[in-house]
Amino acid sequence: DQQVKQNSPSLSVQEGRISILNCDYTNSMFDYFLWYKKYPAEGPTFLISISSIKDKNEDGRFTVFLNKSAKHLSLHIVPSQPGDSAVYFCAASATGGGADGLTFGKGTHLIIQP
Amino acid sequence: DTGVSQDPRHKITKRGQNVTFRCDPISEHNRLYWYRQTLGQGPEFLTYFQNEAQLEKSRLLSDRFSAERPKGSFSTLEIQRTEQGDSAMYLCASSFRPGTNSYEQYFGPGTRLTVT
Repeated sequence: DQQVKQNSPSLSVQEGRISILNCDYTNSMFDYFLWYKKYPAEGPTFLISISSIKDKNEDGRFTVFLNKSAKHLSLHIVPSQPGDSAVYFCAASATGGGADGLTFGKGTHLIIQP
Repeated sequence: DTGVSQDPRHKITKRGQNVTFRCDPISEHNRLYWYRQTLGQGPEFLTYFQNEAQLEKSRLLSDRFSAERPKGSFSTLEIQRTEQGDSAMYLCASSFRPGTNSYEQYFGPGTRLTVT
């Protein structure tokens, strides 16, 4: 039973355009969400997080939106750059701030085309 | 701060052998986590420590797996009697510097285990 779902295994976007990565969750106890980026042969790198008390969080080119009623979150990258090509994982936690073990989706492979 | 480090980066072992991995967290982080990642999947939580106390274990952590964090600093993950199904990337993460309210987990590069 997958509690965090990333339904797009891959996404191709032109350089300079907006990349939108989506994530759905089923566990209503999740209250903290994170996005990680992973290059081959490296561990995941933390990008941005959002608490369930917010519906938006921004950090530079990255913005995460949370729709609690739909149990859906998305990561927007604007503008997309070649270095953004990587696998992106959505993760969720049922404890405030992600203090316990995280539940991850299967990832979306983002490819930025020149 | 240096990041999370893991040793070795790669391990090839024969089925039935025991293996041990080490993780050194970011200094002053008091929480340490172990995850396993197989091809095409996201990381799956195995266990975590707060200081030297092991606070949670996933059902994925069978009795062949044991983790320790003896002095609340580095941690080891041992797999006894390895099976081919144990082949995976084993990831370590750390979080939480006391005095902050930030729990984001920062990951090491992982140890890739291949069981032949």
